[in-house]
Amino acid sequence: SAVISQKPSRDICQRGTSLTIQCQVDSQVTMMFWYRQQPGQSLTLIATANQGSEATYESGFVIDKFPISRPNLTFSTLTVSNMSPEDSSIYLCSVDRDTESYGYTFGSGTRLTVV
Amino acid sequence: AQKVTQAQTEISVVEKEDVTLDCVYETRDTTYYLFWYKQPPSGELVFLIRRNSFDEQNEISGRYSWNFQKSTSSFNFTITASQVVDSAVYFCALSEAFNSNSGYALNFGKGTSLLVTP
Repeated sequence: SAVISQKPSRDICQRGTSLTIQCQVDSQVTMMFWYRQQPGQSLTLIATANQGSEATYESGFVIDKFPISRPNLTFSTLTVSNMSPEDSSIYLCSVDRDTESYGYTFGSGTRLTVV
Repeated sequence: AQKVTQAQTEISVVEKEDVTLDCVYETRDTTYYLFWYKQPPSGELVFLIRRNSFDEQNEISGRYSWNFQKSTSSFNFTITASQVVDSAVYFCALSEAFNSNSGYALNFGKGTSLLVTP
């Protein structure tokens, strides 16, 4: 199955600043997904990133706040912009279904704290 | 509307007890996929199983077993002879038919926190 390297693993940021999270996949994948997991909550899809096209955002998430890049088939970034304490969450990237294991592979997550 | 419901927020059992985690889903698609993931305290998501809508066979993997019943839209997960290392949050998730915008993105339930004590 695919292996995803996600960076940083954690960060503490000042409000009003931005943080860019990177996900590198060891194989080419069509779609990458970005999720947010607020403290004690489930995972919510932020957006889907296809290579060569604009990311598709779910309701409640906007590009100005969460710009996404997908420059090639193995890499994507999510930026959390103009952060507030409400953005404190775990952010995870994922790739579409692995044909071998049939499961979605997730990055190890970025634990973000905004102070 | 919530597509995946995990009614049990927290479960606490003593080691060696059997425990069943419930999952009820809602979809209009005839083709869909159901998943279970484990999230230990370290935070990573560990894939446990995928089931497609056309395969209602129950599955057993070691101490883990899954019961998929389309008639009741349920995909329950049983841990036999639970161990302390099973303590984690368990998520049930649904992937519906291909959507050109979000592909096969997962819809997660709210999760069940399982605590296994010695």
